[in-house]
Amino acid sequence: QSALTQPASVSGSPGQSITISCTGTSSDVGNYNLVSWYQQHPGKAPKVMIYEGSKRPSGVSNRFSASKSGNTASLTISGLQAEDEADYYCCSYAGSSTYVFGTGTQVTVL
Amino acid sequence: QVHLVESGGGVVQPGRSLRLSCAASQFTFSSFGMHWVRQAPGKGLEWVAVISYDGSNTYQADSVKGRFTISRDNSKNTLYLQMNSLRVEDTAVYYCAKGQDYAMDVWGQGTTVTVSS
Repeated sequence: QSALTQPASVSGSPGQSITISCTGTSSDVGNYNLVSWYQQHPGKAPKVMIYEGSKRPSGVSNRFSASKSGNTASLTISGLQAEDEADYYCCSYAGSSTYVFGTGTQVTVL
Repeated sequence: QVHLVESGGGVVQPGRSLRLSCAASQFTFSSFGMHWVRQAPGKGLEWVAVISYDGSNTYQADSVKGRFTISRDNSKNTLYLQMNSLRVEDTAVYYCAKGQDYAMDVWGQGTTVTVSS
């Protein structure tokens, strides 16, 4: 149950697009299309942004999208806005009803 | 509006026990699996445990297996985490979260557990 690997930080200017990667193994990310993504602002609880690989919950902006290739999942934020500045975590189902989170990525809007 | 409220956190010495609670409201609690997720100070999220909708199946992370027990009382709409043999490294904010479609779609505000002598 090793944590999925994410870049520590990603930055972009308002209006730009950024992509956050999430690398796991063939036992988690690579074996299931069940990656979810969470946004966490400082001092707040996480909020789900993507579930089941690429689905957006009601109320989440369509500026957030996600995909997967092999053992790596990716979250793309397009049209970056100041309010997107937060920490982002991926999470993958890892079989036998267990889950594993990513190391987290701090997104900075320049 | 779906609501989860954790309680029971505090300061405890290493080796002691603590029980966290999570009160659920505004949804059919007995229909959903529930998770505990923790976050150590300045660190990332760590999945801790999950329980099925009826409490018949539970699973834990290796880091807490044998020490932590997740349970629920559907008659009280409440989720629990019994934490035994606590270690300094268990210090964290503990969140309960509602399970949905292999994700955690609603989170509580968290309760802080500090393990220190």
